[in-house]
Amino acid sequence: GIQVEQSPPDLILQEGANSTLRCNFSDSVNNLQWFHQNPWGQLINLFYIPSGTKQNGRLSATTVATERYSLLYISSSQTTDSGVYFCAVGSGGGADGLTFGKGTHLIIQP
Amino acid sequence: KAGVTQTPRYLIKTRGQQVTLSCSPISGHRSVSWYQQTPGQGLQFLFEYFSETQRNKGNFPGRFSGRQFSNSRSEMNVSTLELGDSALYLCASSPASRGQFFGPGTRLTVL
Repeated sequence: GIQVEQSPPDLILQEGANSTLRCNFSDSVNNLQWFHQNPWGQLINLFYIPSGTKQNGRLSATTVATERYSLLYISSSQTTDSGVYFCAVGSGGGADGLTFGKGTHLIIQP
Repeated sequence: KAGVTQTPRYLIKTRGQQVTLSCSPISGHRSVSWYQQTPGQGLQFLFEYFSETQRNKGNFPGRFSGRQFSNSRSEMNVSTLELGDSALYLCASSPASRGQFFGPGTRLTVL
């Protein structure tokens, strides 16, 4: 099956800093999503981005499908950005079972 | 639209019992998927249902089963519970080809 690697595993930053999270995957995909898991465990959708670039406020993401990686950018970090960020991929269409990376644990200090 | 809802939110069972978890998808979404999250194994895909049919299945033993009803609501069942089944169980619904949307999860503790 597809392998998903996320880096870095942990990241500690000061409020106001920018960060880049990376997701590498081992095979062609037609579904790639970024999630933020809140302290209660719910996965919050950030981006559905099997290719291209999208932006939503302080967050943006880029997927280069031909090179099998995706990047999530967080600018001007806030303490509420803390949590675990997951990349998940699927190869069978938008509703296929997702394979998740192990996540990046982000801590934003005031 | 209301989001994905899951019931119950918390559950405590003992080894050997069985449990049924429920998921109501976002209105209009016909695909429902289930995932298990544990500290050791991370997030793992259990199965996916579409129009009352299981379309995809992850690598879990037969004790884990599910079904989907005509209104797209889904249930998953775990029989003969083991301590290792303690986990956060997440349900996701999906429209066609626009990604999956997750519910708040059911946290199952097996004693």
